[in-house]
Amino acid sequence: GAGVSQSPSNKVTEKGKDVELRCDPISGHTALYWYRQSLGQGLEFLIYFQGNSAPDKSGLPSDRFSAERTGGSVSTLTIQRTQQEDSAVYLCASSPSGWIETQYFGPGTRLLVL
Amino acid sequence: GESVGLHLPTLSVQEGDNSIINCAYSNSASDYFIWYKQESGKGPQFIIDIRSNMDKRQGQRVTVLLNKTVKHLSLQIAATQPGDSAVYFCAENQKGAQKLVFGQGTRLTINP
Repeated sequence: GAGVSQSPSNKVTEKGKDVELRCDPISGHTALYWYRQSLGQGLEFLIYFQGNSAPDKSGLPSDRFSAERTGGSVSTLTIQRTQQEDSAVYLCASSPSGWIETQYFGPGTRLLVL
Repeated sequence: GESVGLHLPTLSVQEGDNSIINCAYSNSASDYFIWYKQESGKGPQFIIDIRSNMDKRQGQRVTVLLNKTVKHLSLQIAATQPGDSAVYFCAENQKGAQKLVFGQGTRLTINP
């Protein structure tokens, strides 16, 4: 498919464990974003990658959260020592070049921390 | 602080009627606004956008209105269909910033 894909679609983990969430952006898109969506809430910005520039990490809620983007394509969001409040849907989006344009979202990863 | 909020968390309309979803924003420096549609189990889907130098923009069955005087944004959906059932989010971008701020969302339900 040509859209943004994310894996896994669902993840259940125990409190204190680490999790990795993967995002495959649309081919050729240089901008990639991670958001968090809690139940019944809007989207909370987490991190933004643009080409080879240093990522904008200003939305990461704590130092337990980190993300990387290898080769300007696939991105991994890592949550260390998960807490119950980390339970949410984690959405990835990509766009051709930057912010002021359409962002294409993936289906999200639903994370449940027990 | 900055916020983008919605007047109504839920909206029910009859199939075929027009729907109006409202959004208030507080950041007068915002210069770009987007409406997204999110169906159950899916990621948000872009519907329509508008820049602050405009007060109206039309798409296919949708119209976005921007009233900068009262910091109000609305999405009008004409002749709503069952497929329009979803949660609708407004989002704003402050000029010069590289963040989208999303509202809480309004759930639109279409009654047959």
